[in-house]
Amino acid sequence: LAKTTQPISMDSYEGQEVNITCSHNNIATNDYITWYQQFPSQGPRFIIQGYKTKVTNEVASLFIPADRKSSTLSLPRVSLSDTAVYYCLRKAGRRALTFGSGTRLQVQP
Amino acid sequence: DGGITQSPKYLFRKEGQNVTLSCEQNLNHDAMYWYRQDPGQGLRLIYYSQIVNDFQKGDIAEGYSVSREKKESFPLTVTSAQKNPTAFYLCASSIDRLAGGEADTQYFGPGTRLTVL
Repeated sequence: LAKTTQPISMDSYEGQEVNITCSHNNIATNDYITWYQQFPSQGPRFIIQGYKTKVTNEVASLFIPADRKSSTLSLPRVSLSDTAVYYCLRKAGRRALTFGSGTRLQVQP
Repeated sequence: DGGITQSPKYLFRKEGQNVTLSCEQNLNHDAMYWYRQDPGQGLRLIYYSQIVNDFQKGDIAEGYSVSREKKESFPLTVTSAQKNPTAFYLCASSIDRLAGGEADTQYFGPGTRLTVL
């Protein structure tokens, strides 16, 4: 299985920047790193995807170092509505994604 | 959401009964997937299909069956052989053209919560 390792939970306060790091030591040459966000009783929502260096969109940034053995999702100035579970996934070939347990982010006022 | 619909949102089943969950997409995606999620856990792959009339077992296919007669539809049947079917079921789709797809992004439906009484 294409496994990744990420913290089980994180706490933050509104307005802070949150960085969630994911380890993927055995990443393959063709694998991309994808992050999803999931709220309770909803389907996961795509946040960002990257291969190396830095990718930024309107909601987050993704940093992937040269060795690609880890990646960091950065959420700028989080709000209460960012409280959710965040999943880091690597795409192993053409098969479907392999989900771990994710990181539960709790944003406090 | 975003072009993927699942119905019903909540479903109750008596033990020993088969039940079919609906998944439809209007995104013109080739690939479709079914996942199961238990409380506090990540998603586990049940079945996936990369093209019409073809599908593959995922990690936990036992007790489930699927069909892919149309590109837009990928129904999942939870059979009486599934020992612990109570869970949250999620359908997803992606472009996944056979010629490539390393950066293929999956888009998820809103889910169906199945409860066995």
